[in-house]
Amino acid sequence: SQTIHQWPATLVQPVGSPLSLECTVEGTSNPNLYWYRQAAGRGLQLLFYSVGIGQISSEVPQNLSASRPQDRQFILSSKKLLLSDSGFYLCAWSDSPRGYRNEQFFGPGTRLTVL
Amino acid sequence: QKEVEQNSGPLSVPEGAIASLNCTYSDRGSQSFFWYRQYSGKSPELIMFIYSNGDKEDGRFTAQLNKASQYVSLLIRDSQPSDSATYLCAVKRAGTASKLTFGTGTRLQVTL
Repeated sequence: SQTIHQWPATLVQPVGSPLSLECTVEGTSNPNLYWYRQAAGRGLQLLFYSVGIGQISSEVPQNLSASRPQDRQFILSSKKLLLSDSGFYLCAWSDSPRGYRNEQFFGPGTRLTVL
Repeated sequence: QKEVEQNSGPLSVPEGAIASLNCTYSDRGSQSFFWYRQYSGKSPELIMFIYSNGDKEDGRFTAQLNKASQYVSLLIRDSQPSDSATYLCAVKRAGTASKLTFGTGTRLQVTL
């Protein structure tokens, strides 16, 4: 069965510091991978998605970046955090789209607080 | 108009009752529809998926899709306190590859 891991689970960082969040998936090959952010009391905002190694699509302009150095590894980074970067960061995976099916499965998330 | 709209709630139902959660979407070409459950402080968990008009049942959950009216609903029968959570509706829009668009969720409270 497939498993998705994220770390760290929680993170408190000062404004202006760098960020690196990691996500790995087990039990599947060539998954689609996604990074979402959920601000307090708000919906899920898609930040990046990737359909393969080195292929990253950005959904919103911001000071965050994403990389996919390996098939089942997805990394979210920032050089300098802003207060507005605080939130619950979720990584998700899906198989390549099969007709109408495109279920996405979420990792446990990283709660980031920028002070 | 938001692409996917949900009433934020809270929707309060007594234990054992039917909870009805609704979602409307703006893109008439949307293909697939998903319901996720999110407990406070946790990540979303997929509970239902539907793409054909009509009803789809899975245990106590029934998803209903009406593409002509552009709404999808989730019914939870025999509601339990453990069903108290935020329910997120997600839509796969036509031409968006593998991306889903999420609503902001409806908070459900099942009272004893």
